[in-house]
Amino acid sequence: GAVVSQHPSRVICKSGTSVKIECRSLDFQATTMFWYRQFPKQSLMLMATSNEGSKATYEQGVEKDKFLINHASLTLSTLTVTSAHPEDSSFYICSAREDRRSYEQYFGPGTRLTVT
Amino acid sequence: GNSVTQMEGPVTLSEEAFLTINCTYTATGYPSLFWYVQYPGEGLQLLLKATKADDKGSNKGFEATYRKETTSFHLEKGSVQVSDSAVYFCALKDNYGQNFVFGPGTRLSVLP
Repeated sequence: GAVVSQHPSRVICKSGTSVKIECRSLDFQATTMFWYRQFPKQSLMLMATSNEGSKATYEQGVEKDKFLINHASLTLSTLTVTSAHPEDSSFYICSAREDRRSYEQYFGPGTRLTVT
Repeated sequence: GNSVTQMEGPVTLSEEAFLTINCTYTATGYPSLFWYVQYPGEGLQLLLKATKADDKGSNKGFEATYRKETTSFHLEKGSVQVSDSAVYFCALKDNYGQNFVFGPGTRLSVLP
C-alpha cells in the first residue's frame, strides 16, 4: 500500500525557535496533503490542506503565519512551526492523497513536538 | 456542520470478548464513513469503509454497517485479541468537500 513518512518522529525545541516537519509520499505522487494536530487523548483536528504548487488553505482558527506550509513537490510537504511556544506541543500528523477524486488518504506516522 | 460522535472510552475487554464501539454522525447528503485505527506511537491506518447506505465494511475480523436510518456506523468484532489494543476513530467524508471529520476516538485495551 501507499506509504507516507514523516521526519522527524520526535523533536524537542526551545521556546521561540522554529521547527520544520517533513511529510513525504514514498511510492506515489500526492496532489493534496493534509496537516492535522492531535492533542493528548483527543481526535485529529485538520489544520490545513495544501495542493502542490499552490498556497495552503487553513482551517478557521489556525494562524497561517505561525504554521507555514509548503507543498513544493508532488512528494513533499513541510510544516514549519515558527516562534514555537509550549502550547504548540502536540502530535502533528500529515496525510496525503494521490488523486483529487479519491477519498483515500494515507497517513504518516506522526511527529511529536515538545516545546520547552 | 458535519460531526461524528463516538462512545467514550476507555473500553477494556478480555481476550476473545465481543467488541462494539458505537459511532453516530450528522451530515448533509450521503457521506462516506470510515473507521481508522491508531496503534501506540503511530499514525492512523484505514481499517474499513462504507460509501453508501447498507454497505458493510469489513477487515481483520472487524465489521461496520452504514445505517442511514439511524445515522450510525458501529464497529464490531466477534473475538478481540490483545493486538487489537489501540485507539479507534470513526470518520466521515462528505461528497462535496475533500476533508475528513473525525470522532474523538475510543481507546480499546484488551487484556490477556
